[in-house]
Amino acid sequence: EVQLVESGGGLVQPGRSMKLSCAASGFTFNNYDMAWVCQAPKKGLEWVATISYDGSSTYYRDSVKGRFTISRDNAKSTLYLQMDSLRSEDTATYYCARFGGIQDFDYWGQGVMVTVSS
Amino acid sequence: DIQMTQSPSSMSASLGDTVTINCLASQDIGNYLSWYQQKPGKSPKLMIYGATNLEDGVPSRFSGSRSGSDYSLTINSLGYDDEGIYHCHQYYEYPYTFGAGTKLELK
Repeated sequence: EVQLVESGGGLVQPGRSMKLSCAASGFTFNNYDMAWVCQAPKKGLEWVATISYDGSSTYYRDSVKGRFTISRDNAKSTLYLQMDSLRSEDTATYYCARFGGIQDFDYWGQGVMVTVSS
Repeated sequence: DIQMTQSPSSMSASLGDTVTINCLASQDIGNYLSWYQQKPGKSPKLMIYGATNLEDGVPSRFSGSRSGSDYSLTINSLGYDDEGIYHCHQYYEYPYTFGAGTKLELK
């Protein structure tokens, strides 16, 4: 059974950093691109970043470029999102998702809440 | 960026009805369009991918179609379990973008 379990969220002050993790199981992690998608309270979904199966390529939405870093450890089957210089507008639930190619984001984690507030 | 204009933003329908949700892409995205269902407090669930392909385990009451840059999700024989928010998503090019969502409620 495919499982994605996020961790690392919580309350953080503006300008500070936070690192999210997503532990994957039930599939061959290093065969798949992975992504982070966020959802601000009562808002729609927003793609944040994607990393290729081998970590060689990364893609980001403009609003997080230079502040967020997506990475992965294939030996640990774990995806990460390092978030620096956090802003109030980064407040959201962050989901990790497996990218199944033509099947798009076919599996999602349960989500982790990040609140940026003083 | 590719804009996905989703309509309606909300709708109410009766048990057994057929409903259609639409997404208009601002440029060509081919068949790189998926539909997700999201229930309160839960993560999105893939329903349709590649514009018309039903994800494994999704009831055949759900279907997707395409006409040019217009994409539709149709739900036949509406049931209470179909309530939720439906999101369209283009994965043709980065930045990937979602529609604003359609909240479906049963009367």
